[in-house]
Amino acid sequence: GAGVSQTPSNKVTEKGKYVELRCDPISGHTALYWYRQSLGQGPEFLIYFQGTGAADDSGLPNDRFFAVRPEGSVSTLKIQRTERGDSAVYLCASSLAGGGMADTQYFGPGTRLTVL
Amino acid sequence: GENVEQHPSTLSVQEGDSAVIKCTYSDSASNYFPWYKQELGKRPQLIIDIRSNVGEKKDQRIAVTLNKTAKHFSLHITETQPEDSAVYFCAAGAQKLVFGQGTRLTINP
Repeated sequence: GAGVSQTPSNKVTEKGKYVELRCDPISGHTALYWYRQSLGQGPEFLIYFQGTGAADDSGLPNDRFFAVRPEGSVSTLKIQRTERGDSAVYLCASSLAGGGMADTQYFGPGTRLTVL
Repeated sequence: GENVEQHPSTLSVQEGDSAVIKCTYSDSASNYFPWYKQELGKRPQLIIDIRSNVGEKKDQRIAVTLNKTAKHFSLHITETQPEDSAVYFCAAGAQKLVFGQGTRLTINP
C-alpha cells in the first residue's frame, strides 16, 4: 500500500514568511509524528498526534510553530515568521497505534525547507 | 527527558567483516528501541527494532541487543556488503522517539 507522503518536497521561502507543510499518513494509522532533521543530525521530535489531538507537543521550539490534524488523518505543520534557523528537512511519520507500548514509525520522504 | 548517545560517529569496515554500533539512553521509561538506516537524501528506513521485554532480536545479518540495567543497546551487522553503506540512527522512547547523532558506516570492497 501507499506509504507516508509529504508535500511539497522542497520549499524555499524568505525570512518572515508563513509556510505550511503537509503530511498524508499511511491509511488507518492513528498516530502521526513530526520531526525536524538538520544536516548531519538525527531527527528531532516536534509533536505527536493520537487521532485528532496533540498528545505531546513538547518538541515545538516556540510559538511560531503549530500543527493540526483536524480529521485524524492529514496533518499540516505551520510555521509563522520563518527564520533562517528554521531551515531543515521536516519529516513526518505515522504508526498504526499509539498508547502505552510504542508501534513502528514509518517515515515520509520529508520536506526540505530553505529560508533565505 | 530522554538523552541518547551513539558511538562511533563514523565506522569503516572491510566487506565481509562485522560492524557494531552502540547507543546508551537515560530514561528508564523508554520501552522501544528502533534502528533506522538513512541513505543520502532519502527517508529513514526501519531495519530492526526491539522492545524492553526482549534482550536480543535477530533478522538475517542484523541483530540488536538490549541491556536495560545498563541502559544500552547495540546494532550488529555481520557479513557486511557495499549496500550496507549509509548513516544509521538508533532511537529510544515510548511514543515520541529521541534519536542518536548517527553513525556513518562505510563498507570498503
